[in-house]
Amino acid sequence: DIQMTQSPSFLSASVGDRVTINCKASQNINKYLNWYQQKLGEAPKRLIYNTNNLQTGIPSRFSGSGSGTDYTLTISSLQPEDFATYFCLQHNSFPYTFGAGTKLELK
Amino acid sequence: EVQLVESGEGLVQPGSSMKLSCVASGFTFSNYGMNWIRQAPKKGLEWIALIYYDSSSKYYADSVKGRFTISRDNSKNTLYLEMNSLRSEDTAMYYCAKGTTGYWGQGVMVTVSS
Repeated sequence: DIQMTQSPSFLSASVGDRVTINCKASQNINKYLNWYQQKLGEAPKRLIYNTNNLQTGIPSRFSGSGSGTDYTLTISSLQPEDFATYFCLQHNSFPYTFGAGTKLELK
Repeated sequence: EVQLVESGEGLVQPGSSMKLSCVASGFTFSNYGMNWIRQAPKKGLEWIALIYYDSSSKYYADSVKGRFTISRDNSKNTLYLEMNSLRSEDTAMYYCAKGTTGYWGQGVMVTVSS
């Protein structure tokens, strides 16, 4: 199985900050990497699919990059509604596997 | 508008069985693979199963293989998850998700406890 190591687990930041969240796969996942945002009590929402494709309706301050085993989610200028938990998912091979999550908190 | 509505929530005893349903609307259900994903309380996400659009292939996480069965009825736009030999560690919110998980249902809570 492919292991997804997500970092950091916690991130404290301020409105307007630029933040990055990373996911490292235990093997090449050929850019089959999605990013999700989850707020308390809600289902996850997909932000980015296949590394760098912005889901319809998601603000352009969210972007994704990466290749091979290393992937990054960047939020260019944090907004109050962005404080949430973020997960990555590899869907290159079964079983699909998620990162453990990054909780983004207001500093 | 894509909608996925799960049902079948409940509390069951260890060793028992339970079946979840997910009714889809707003897209051509028979054209898409479908997933079940779960989240234990205050934990991360775990993908548990996928079924192809035509039921020709099914894939499972090791944690549920042999105990859970994913199925679908394209005539009813409905996805199912049959869960047998339930354990306390199966306690979680269960979500269905379309295709490469671009759309999710609101989830249903399954609690396994004596």
